[in-house]
Amino acid sequence: EDKVVQSPLSLVVHEGDTVTLNCSYEVTNFRSLLWYKQEKKAPTFLFMLTSSGIEKKSGRLSSILDKKELFSILNITATQTGDSAVYLCAGVTNSNSGYALNFGKGTSLLVTP
Amino acid sequence: NAGVTQTPKFQVLKTGQSMTLQCAQDMNHEYMSWYRQDPGMGLRLIHYSVGAGITDQGEVPNGYNVSRSTTEDFPLRLLSAAPSQTSVYFCASTLLRRASSPLHFGNGTRLTVT
Repeated sequence: EDKVVQSPLSLVVHEGDTVTLNCSYEVTNFRSLLWYKQEKKAPTFLFMLTSSGIEKKSGRLSSILDKKELFSILNITATQTGDSAVYLCAGVTNSNSGYALNFGKGTSLLVTP
Repeated sequence: NAGVTQTPKFQVLKTGQSMTLQCAQDMNHEYMSWYRQDPGMGLRLIHYSVGAGITDQGEVPNGYNVSRSTTEDFPLRLLSAAPSQTSVYFCASTLLRRASSPLHFGNGTRLTVT
């Protein structure tokens, strides 16, 4: 059974800290790994990772995938209170339907002033 | 740029009532899906569709029906609402034929069943 596990489940940091969120996955027929940020509404897309070792970067956020170890991390540097959210990781596979997606339970990040 | 549109945003039902949550997308996405999100449970797939006329069950399909008569619309029906269906529901879609297309979410429907 495909599985996506995120850690930690929750995290509290001070503004300016750097955080690393973890996502491990066990999925068959891997297609991609997705990261989303969810505040009090719909998840918003952050990154899609398909290849090992290639860092995706957007401002203070970056992410990388290790396909051998079935692992991805999301880094946030110089955190701000606006980074407070739940961060979701999802493993995407090629299934009989052509697409299947498994979400982890998320990491809840709180950045305090 | 409408993207994925869900209606209503909020709904309160009594046990046993029926209703339909609407979802429409204007991006010509083949794949559409419904998730429910509950505290501590993450996003769980209810039903999905890979094209008009094709639907399939996800992880938690019981109590829900779907149909896909057009590419744009994917309504979710609750035939007889139960308190266990109190949740936030998200519709999401993607372009299957483009590997770089992520899943796009609607803004959600918060449903309370009393």
